Amino acid sequence: DIVMTQSPDSLAVSLGGRATINCKSSQNILYSSNNKNYLAWYQHKPGQPPKLLIYWASTRESGVPDRFRGSGSGTDFTLTISSLQAEDVAVYFCQQYYNTPYSFGQGTKLEIK
Amino acid sequence: EVHLLESGGGLVRPGGSLRLSCAASGISFTGYAMAWVRQAPGTGLEWVSVVSGAGGVTFYADSVNGRFTISKDDSNNMVSLQMNSLTVGDTATYYCARVSSDIVDRHFDYWGRGTVVTVSS
Repeated sequence: DIVMTQSPDSLAVSLGGRATINCKSSQNILYSSNNKNYLAWYQHKPGQPPKLLIYWASTRESGVPDRFRGSGSGTDFTLTISSLQAEDVAVYFCQQYYNTPYSFGQGTKLEIK
Repeated sequence: EVHLLESGGGLVRPGGSLRLSCAASGISFTGYAMAWVRQAPGTGLEWVSVVSGAGGVTFYADSVNGRFTISKDDSNNMVSLQMNSLTVGDTATYYCARVSSDIVDRHFDYWGRGTVVTVSS
């Protein structure tokens, strides 16, 4: 099974600042036949459904502000939130969909400093 | 507006059964794979099961394999999760999610708000 490990577990950033969340997979999740990384990022706020932010490691979902950026390849990935807004307070999860079980990172709780 | 609404959660004794359902408005399940994900109290998300768009291919987490059955009913725009032989370890909020394609190995583009399952004597 592929294990997804996020860091840090929690993060406090000033309004307007930059948040960086890392996600590491225990195995390569870059599929060579299509050159795609099978990695998604989700935002989860209390009482709301999780929301897709990024897929294929770096493709922003329609409607997601461009301050959210995904990067990385192979086993190491990053979600960067620039110019942090108050509404970005949430828990962020990465997920691999390369192999079942489609595992998630443990989550990173983002707060305002 | 898109809504996925899970139902069927509740309190059940160990060894009991529950059937969760997920209905959608604003989007279609037809031709899309569907998944269930759970989150136990104080923990992260755990993928539970997925069914292909045509309904013929299913996968399960080892922790539920042989006890849970996923199915989808495109005519009613619903997906279900039959859960048998429940244990305390199955206590969680269960989310349904639409996979972005008819095949299972894709990201989840829409999620529900979840339904709470509590297994306790």
